[in-house]
Amino acid sequence: DQQVKQNSPSLSVQEGRISILNCDYTNSMFDYFLWYKKYPAEGPTFLISISSIKDKNEDGRFTVFLNKSAKHLSLHIVPSQPGDSAVYFCATRGAGGTSYGKLTFGQGTILTVHP
Amino acid sequence: NAGVMQNPRHLVRRRGQEARLRCSPMKGHSHVYWYRQLPEEGLKFMVYLQKENIIDESGMPKERFSAEFPKEGPSILRIQQVVRGDSAAYFCASSPESNQPQHFGDGTRLSIL
Repeated sequence: DQQVKQNSPSLSVQEGRISILNCDYTNSMFDYFLWYKKYPAEGPTFLISISSIKDKNEDGRFTVFLNKSAKHLSLHIVPSQPGDSAVYFCATRGAGGTSYGKLTFGQGTILTVHP
Repeated sequence: NAGVMQNPRHLVRRRGQEARLRCSPMKGHSHVYWYRQLPEEGLKFMVYLQKENIIDESGMPKERFSAEFPKEGPSILRIQQVVRGDSAAYFCASSPESNQPQHFGDGTRLSIL
């Protein structure tokens, strides 16, 4: 039962262009959404998050968009840089109770930014 | 300002042995989470602990796995009588409060011979 899906296993982008990573979820009880970046042999690094009461959050080159009716979120990176090449995971969190600490991750998308 | 520290980074065990994975959270963080990543998959939640308490263990296998976060010292994930299928990367994360983003360590890669 895959509650969080990243349907694109990989994405290749030219340096300076926009990278758009997508994520779909099925559970309408999720209230908080996060994006993490992961390099090989390292742990995930927190990038940006968004609450379900918002539809956009921006931090420097990173912007996350949330479409609750479509149960879809996306991460935009602009301009993309070669150092952005990594695996990107979206993650969601349930509302309240003991599920508050539990993050549900997608399978990840490998982003490659070419110089 | 040290991040989440996990040790060992790599652990090799033979089938039937015990594996102990340690996690020291970031300073000021009292909430600890363990995740497992199997090859070619995303991270899967295992357990959420706060000092001396297990808050959510819904992702823990029913047998052989246990976790603790004592009043003093690191959090420990213990796997008894390991089997080949336990081979994975185990990540620990911590946060100051449960509604704050979780910050991850670099993981322990467990290999079972």
